[in-house]
Amino acid sequence: SQQGEEDPQALSIQEGENATMNCSYKTSINNLQWYRQNSGRGLVHLILIRSNEREKHSGRLRVTLDTSKKSSSLLITASRAADTASYFCATDAFSGGYNKLIFGAGTRLAVHP
Amino acid sequence: SAVISQKPSRDICQRGTSLTIQCQVDSQVTMMFWYRQQPGQSLTLIATANQGSEATYESGFVIDKFPISRPNLTFSTLTVSNMSPEDSSIYLCSVEVARGETQYFGPGTRLLVL
Repeated sequence: SQQGEEDPQALSIQEGENATMNCSYKTSINNLQWYRQNSGRGLVHLILIRSNEREKHSGRLRVTLDTSKKSSSLLITASRAADTASYFCATDAFSGGYNKLIFGAGTRLAVHP
Repeated sequence: SAVISQKPSRDICQRGTSLTIQCQVDSQVTMMFWYRQQPGQSLTLIATANQGSEATYESGFVIDKFPISRPNLTFSTLTVSNMSPEDSSIYLCSVEVARGETQYFGPGTRLLVL
């Protein structure tokens, strides 16, 4: 079953605007990861944030994590048309000695020139 | 990080046949995973491929339908058996370089079953 729920399901913005995507989850985690997927291709890893971290940056990306609310957000600043993709959060679940990922439903982002 | 390749990248198959998907990683890794992404959906874990032992399947997935091999620390295969149109999906393998760290994904295999 899906642990993560993301909103919005779809987001349409203009180039230069900021895009914020949210992810909520249900159980305790060790870390949370964000991925990007372009048009049904493989997943590109964006950021991993650990449960003891509150905020992490990578270029134009900013991820926050609130473990008390079991939620995370991904902010893309100064968006570009090339940012058009689906974005997924994934939480880890240690089970049977290994770390499996449980993915949210994803947010489809469209950035218009 | 890890560089992962998958073969084939896409295929169109007839119902009732089987397809074997290969996943190759450029370094030795302990854990390899297989995911399915149905059209317009998110990713669902099929199984964990363990080197030297049987794969561990998630609820709703069985070995007879999705047999997996893991002959060494850099390679795994997933077979989709006795396919039906409902098996049309993207199948992705991933690897975990170290426990609790980033999982890296292959480019995926897009499967269409007619």
